[in-house]
Amino acid sequence: QKEVEQNSGPLSVPEGAIASLNCTYSDRGSQSFFWYRQYSGKSPELIMFIYSNGDKEDGRFTAQLNKASQYVSLLIRDSQPSDSATYLCAVNDGNTGKLIFGQGTTLQVKP
Amino acid sequence: ETGVTQTPRHLVMGMTNKKSLKCEQHLGHNAMYWYKQSAKKPLELMFVYNFKEQTENNSVPSRFSPECPNSSHLFLHLHTLQPEDSALYLCASSQAGTSGYEQYFGPGTRLTVT
Repeated sequence: QKEVEQNSGPLSVPEGAIASLNCTYSDRGSQSFFWYRQYSGKSPELIMFIYSNGDKEDGRFTAQLNKASQYVSLLIRDSQPSDSATYLCAVNDGNTGKLIFGQGTTLQVKP
Repeated sequence: ETGVTQTPRHLVMGMTNKKSLKCEQHLGHNAMYWYKQSAKKPLELMFVYNFKEQTENNSVPSRFSPECPNSSHLFLHLHTLQPEDSALYLCASSQAGTSGYEQYFGPGTRLTVT
């Protein structure tokens, strides 16, 4: 069974700090990797995607991918209380293209 | 707004009722999905439609019946549900056939079965 693993948290960081969210996946054939943010009671919102090894930056967000280690991470710089949410890692199934979601990591940014 | 709308946003139904959830996407995508999200569980994929054809039925009970009349609309017909079916039901769409497979979600329908 293809899996995506995340620490459920909560991960608590002070305002202004860097939050680091991690995800591992089991399917070596996966090519596309996504981070979704989900506020309580809302639907998931796509915030980052990455296809190649290395880093991809978008504003305060950086996604990092290491396919050899089957590891993808999301860094949030200068964390704000409004970043408090659950972050879902999703990885495409290399055979079908379907997305496989992790259970999410809850981030709490304390003022 | 992501370009994916869902109605109703909230639904309370008894176990003997029949109701339908509706999803519409305005993104020009050709794949649509139904997911179920229960508390403390990962998103569960229920159904996938590519170009209006169902390509995935993830062992979903027959009390859930999907319908996709065209690439922009997706329905989930519900009948004789159980209390454990109470959850957030999410619709998503993507451009099938691209390497990205980025999916965009609608706001969801919060379903409570009494």
